Amino acid sequence: DVKVTQSSRYLVKRTGEKVFLECVQDMDHENMFWYRQDPGLGLRLIYFSYDVKMKEKGDIPEGYSVSREKKERFSLILESASTNQTSMYLCASSLEAGVGYNEQFFGPGTRLTVL
Amino acid sequence: DAKTTQPNSMESNEEEPVHLPCNHSTISGTDYIHWYRQLPSQGPEYVIHGLTSNVNNRMASLAIAEDRKSSTLILHRATLRDAAVYYCIVSGNTPLVFGKGTRLSVIA
Repeated sequence: DVKVTQSSRYLVKRTGEKVFLECVQDMDHENMFWYRQDPGLGLRLIYFSYDVKMKEKGDIPEGYSVSREKKERFSLILESASTNQTSMYLCASSLEAGVGYNEQFFGPGTRLTVL
Repeated sequence: DAKTTQPNSMESNEEEPVHLPCNHSTISGTDYIHWYRQLPSQGPEYVIHGLTSNVNNRMASLAIAEDRKSSTLILHRATLRDAAVYYCIVSGNTPLVFGKGTRLSVIA
């Protein structure tokens, strides 16, 4: 079965802390994505990656960075967490672009609270 | 990516068919029409996709207008487990850009 896993379901951090959210997929997918979801705003794309060591900004990259050192792992980093980054974070992956239709598979999400 | 318009919410009785509409008048010739849904406390999951022709799978059917400017997701017999937010997305393959979707409530 296809799987995208995220390191934590719930996380509580303090303002100013450096936060790492980890995502791992076991499907040998080329593409990986980070979204955040907030009430009334839907899912918004933060960053994505089409290959190892590659990254592209999404719609709301400010305050975030990412790392993709291995194909199966895509990390979202909050360099200095702020209260407005309290949100649900969702990771997704999909096959290589250009090879037919690419379904995006999502992880269960990490609910991050920054105090 | 083309913008989509969906009703904010819909309600259905259990075991009745549900038709979820989506307007996408600015769709381009190579854009797919994707439907995903998000059950409570879960990440979104794929439902169905299409390009020009109507599509059926085990979860749902997708009816695409001839001019491709609108589509309808059809759940043939709604169950309580189908209560979710349904997202219609029109784009090339990836990345998907989600709108606010339609919140479907199913009444027993």
